[in-house]
Amino acid sequence: GAVVSQHPSWVICKSGTSVKIECRSLDFQATTMFWYRQFPKQSLMLMATSNEGSKATYEQGVEKDKFLINHASLTLSTLTVTSAHPEDSSFYICSARRGTSGTDTQYFGPGTRLTVL
Amino acid sequence: QQPVQSPQAVILREGEDAVINCSSSKALYSVHWYRQKHGEAPVFLMILLKGGEQKGHDKISASFNEKKQQSSLYLTASQLSYSGTYFCGTEDRGKGGKLIFGQGTELSVKP
Repeated sequence: GAVVSQHPSWVICKSGTSVKIECRSLDFQATTMFWYRQFPKQSLMLMATSNEGSKATYEQGVEKDKFLINHASLTLSTLTVTSAHPEDSSFYICSARRGTSGTDTQYFGPGTRLTVL
Repeated sequence: QQPVQSPQAVILREGEDAVINCSSSKALYSVHWYRQKHGEAPVFLMILLKGGEQKGHDKISASFNEKKQQSSLYLTASQLSYSGTYFCGTEDRGKGGKLIFGQGTELSVKP
């Protein structure tokens, strides 16, 4: 099957610091990767879509200067939360897709729990 | 447009059946079903593309109605391992094929 990893699994940081989260597709090349945010007992809210070699497309209301996304290769995308604040604390999940079609399956990473003190 | 799932939560005894619905006021291009356990990644279950389609694996199956406005997930003879939150996702055609997820249905299977 398709495996997607995320690192770290959890991170605790002080307010004002930046945090980088990595998402890797381990056994396939991901043309597209997605970043989601999930609050407890809530749905998956898409933050941005990332295509290899191009700028990420952010959803309405997501600050692109705060959530920096880089899709450097077909197997790696990173999300950097800059100047994190307590309200940024959440569960961040990435997913990866081989193709560009919406009918291609998205495979999710295990998620990263961010706690900002 | 976010699809609507029902019920929001369901509690079952082991061996009982359950149905989870996912609906929209507009035709859905495709429906993707996932199960997520607490603190873990959503796991892909299946995708339905065509109106009238039905598919399944083991004791979990799904259907997509002819008008493609509703999909149902059927859990037969539920097992403890079926517990989790089930999400349906629908493709937002023309916007990079991104998925919009329903609010989720929390399923608890008790011994």
